[in-house]
Amino acid sequence: GAGVSQSPSNKVTEKGKDVELRCDPISGHTALYWYRQSLGQGLEFLIYFQGNSAPDKSGLPSDRFSAERTGGSVSTLTIQRTQQEDSAVYLCASSAGAVGLQPQHFGDGTRLSIL
Amino acid sequence: AQSVSQHNHHVILSEAASLELGCNYSYGGTVNLFWYVQYPGQHLQLLLKYFSGDPLVKGIKGFEAEFIKSKFSFNLRKPSVQWSDTAEYFCAVKENQGGKLIFGQGTELSVKP
Repeated sequence: GAGVSQSPSNKVTEKGKDVELRCDPISGHTALYWYRQSLGQGLEFLIYFQGNSAPDKSGLPSDRFSAERTGGSVSTLTIQRTQQEDSAVYLCASSAGAVGLQPQHFGDGTRLSIL
Repeated sequence: AQSVSQHNHHVILSEAASLELGCNYSYGGTVNLFWYVQYPGQHLQLLLKYFSGDPLVKGIKGFEAEFIKSKFSFNLRKPSVQWSDTAEYFCAVKENQGGKLIFGQGTELSVKP
């Protein structure tokens, strides 16, 4: 079956521009997560959704970062006024539920480069 | 705050050598433990997971991990590595009632043919 789908796979933009990253989870998965992976910081949690609600957004690094999920499915992560330190691979994952041992299934990520 | 520490940044082994990757976590409550693998150019994949029961957990591709509660450790092992095991390995912890995974820094494994 289809896995977690992320788009675009690569994004290059100029500093100061806004970017929007998209995640399409596995069908039927109620929980959706955003992480980012960078050389200096490793894999960091950003935010997760249970349905359309975000019980934990503690990992968002600043108010330039926001995310939403509609219809309990697709999610978008928006970064406003991008900075060079935002350059990273942004990973999305989904799971059948957030509690317990439900494994998170990861997408291929969006590689974001800020010039 | 929860944290996960992986002892080795880069491990280099020859084929057929035994592997043990260390992972320690700090958290006082009930946790779920995971090992994920990222092969070159691919997405993160689950190797194995543990919550309760037998502390020796078997995963895919011949990997296993042992949970030692008193040491807050969850080390990954494989008796005999293959060149195809070359990848980056991540240990992760999740509160049982929570959602987010806390990852270790990752260990890059290079297996020489």
